[in-house]
Amino acid sequence: GESVGLHLPTLSVQEGDNSIINCAYSNSASDYFIWYKQESGKGPQFIIDIRSNMDKRQGQRVTVLLNKTVKHLSLQIAATQPGDSAVYFCAEPQNTGNQFYFGTGTSLTVIP
Amino acid sequence: DAGITQSPRHKVTETGTPVTLRCHQTENHRYMYWYRQDPGHGLRLIHYSYGVKDTDKGEVSDGYSVSRSKTEDFLLTLESATSSQTSVYFCAISVGNEQFFGPGTRLTVL
Repeated sequence: GESVGLHLPTLSVQEGDNSIINCAYSNSASDYFIWYKQESGKGPQFIIDIRSNMDKRQGQRVTVLLNKTVKHLSLQIAATQPGDSAVYFCAEPQNTGNQFYFGTGTSLTVIP
Repeated sequence: DAGITQSPRHKVTETGTPVTLRCHQTENHRYMYWYRQDPGHGLRLIHYSYGVKDTDKGEVSDGYSVSRSKTEDFLLTLESATSSQTSVYFCAISVGNEQFFGPGTRLTVL
């Protein structure tokens, strides 16, 4: 079946540095992707999404890049803050309605 | 949080006992989902519902059943809990292209 995965399970960055979290996907027909943030003990929260007809989308301190050629997307967090410490994972829709594949997640730790 | 609550938030039970988890939403969303989250795995879909009395199986439905008798409530039942069902369970609703998640229920089966 299709899969969504992440390259690195953990990432540590210094406060103020930029963070980059990567995700590989295998369904070239997916027409959008979503990034979620999950803080310890909480449910996942939507961060940003990107449609397949875009290669970049910016939010507040976050940027998602999509490379359809290599089926890769990344989440960039600018000026990482301690509150950014969480697990981040990507998701893509399945072919059957309103269902998603979720990646396993990357744990981001921000070092003060 | 899209008005999603889950109860209980924590539960410890013994193997072989029945367990029911409740998901409640206040915004009349049509689609509701139950996932489990385990180390080394992404969120895995157990069951989902696309309306009152309309449910379908997800990727890991064995050992679970669901019911949706009202739009606002989606119940997940473990008829006879096993240790492999120790997990964190999340309920979700979908709004357009997004899914919004509840706070989760941590279930431990001894």
